[in-house]
Parts: sequence; structure tokens; C-alpha cells
Amino acid sequence: NAGVTQTPKFQVLKTGQSMTLQCAQDMNHNSMYWYRQDPGMGLRLIYYSASEGTTDKGEVPNGYNVSRLNKREFSLRLESAAPSQTSVYFCASSLDRGSYNEQFFGPGTRLTVL
Amino acid sequence: QQQVKQSPQSLIVQKGGISIINCAYENTAFDYFPWYQQFPGKGPALLIAIRPDVSEKKEGRFTISFNKSAKQFSLHIMDSQPGDSATYFCAAGESGNEKLTFGTGTRLTIIP
Repeated sequence: NAGVTQTPKFQVLKTGQSMTLQCAQDMNHNSMYWYRQDPGMGLRLIYYSASEGTTDKGEVPNGYNVSRLNKREFSLRLESAAPSQTSVYFCASSLDRGSYNEQFFGPGTRLTVL
Repeated sequence: QQQVKQSPQSLIVQKGGISIINCAYENTAFDYFPWYQQFPGKGPALLIAIRPDVSEKKEGRFTISFNKSAKQFSLHIMDSQPGDSATYFCAAGESGNEKLTFGTGTRLTIIP
């Protein structure tokens, strides 16, 4: 079991460029999440998908879009990157919907926007 | 609006000592309080969690203390070891809600 995998590990973008962060899990989990981690800000939820076919906004959704491609995959897209989106991005999954369920995190994508 | 306040931001403890990290919350609907541990270059991982029907939960050297009336909870690491050096996040969730609200993190360093 690979758990939660994320690609790429590192990325540098210029302002205005677009990119998609990929996330996949092999644990047959129903719920998936995208967070960003910034110094002094902790982990902030961008979007989540409680189950296949559904997505909802989190705390900081502006500038991002998501796609729950299937049960395994949940991608995060930056349409027009801005320096404020420089961050470390984590994908997570949990077996079922509901905050009681343990979230399993991927290794992260470190994104720099110049 | 930060719903979960965590302190201190960083903490240095001598090997063998007790590490204490505190969190306070505002939303009385929160009823699940996990702690996540994150090593450099890795994603966070669940360490220990508590629900408010108990005031304390212990797993090995790690203990969560919970004070419902004060809306505070804390992580105690007994006999702290260099391998415990990591960033610790408290979090809070409520039943019927998909989301966890995380604290801002505490960078713990255990020195020999």
C-alpha cells in the first residue's frame, strides 16, 4: 500500500501560469481533502470531497478548483497562479465522511510562484 | 477567524523532560480533538485523539488532557526523546461536519 501519493513533489511557476496538483489514494477511502500549509498559519482546508462525485469549499478556496476524478483521485488546479499561492500543499484522505475519521496525509507538494 | 489557538509556537525541551503544548477553542460544538505529528518533509500523521466524554487519554508517553469548561486541551509528552522532535498540530472537529480545524502548530525540539 502506497497510501496517499502526490505529484509533483516540487514546482516553480511564474505568476499567471496554471498547473494541476495530482493526488491518489489506494486505501479505498471515501473522503479526500486538499490543505495548504503556511508558516504560522497551520493547515488550512482548501476543498474537500466527502464522497465520490461531490466537492465542497473549505476555508480558503479562492483561486483554486478541484476535480474528484474517481474514488482514488482528487486533483487541485491553479488556473492563474499568484505569489500568494506559494505554499506546501497536502492531500489527505479518510475512510468515511465525518471529522471523527483519521485523515491520512500525503508527502506534500512544495509550490513556489514567482 | 482562528477557532483553535495553539501555543507555544516553538518549544525546546531537554531529553527526559516533559513537553506540554496547549490549545484553546471557541466553538462549543467541537466534540473531537486529535493531535497530529509532522516530521520535516513529511505529511502530518495522527498521534492521539480524545472526545469530551473523558478528561484524559494516555497512549504510551503521550497524554491528552481535556478541560471542557475552560475549552482547552493539551498534549503532554513524558520522558521526551530526540525522536519526538517534530511539529505538532492540535485540531478540532464536530459530528456531522466533514472538516477539522487545525491549530497553527508547535515546533518541538528535544535537546540531549
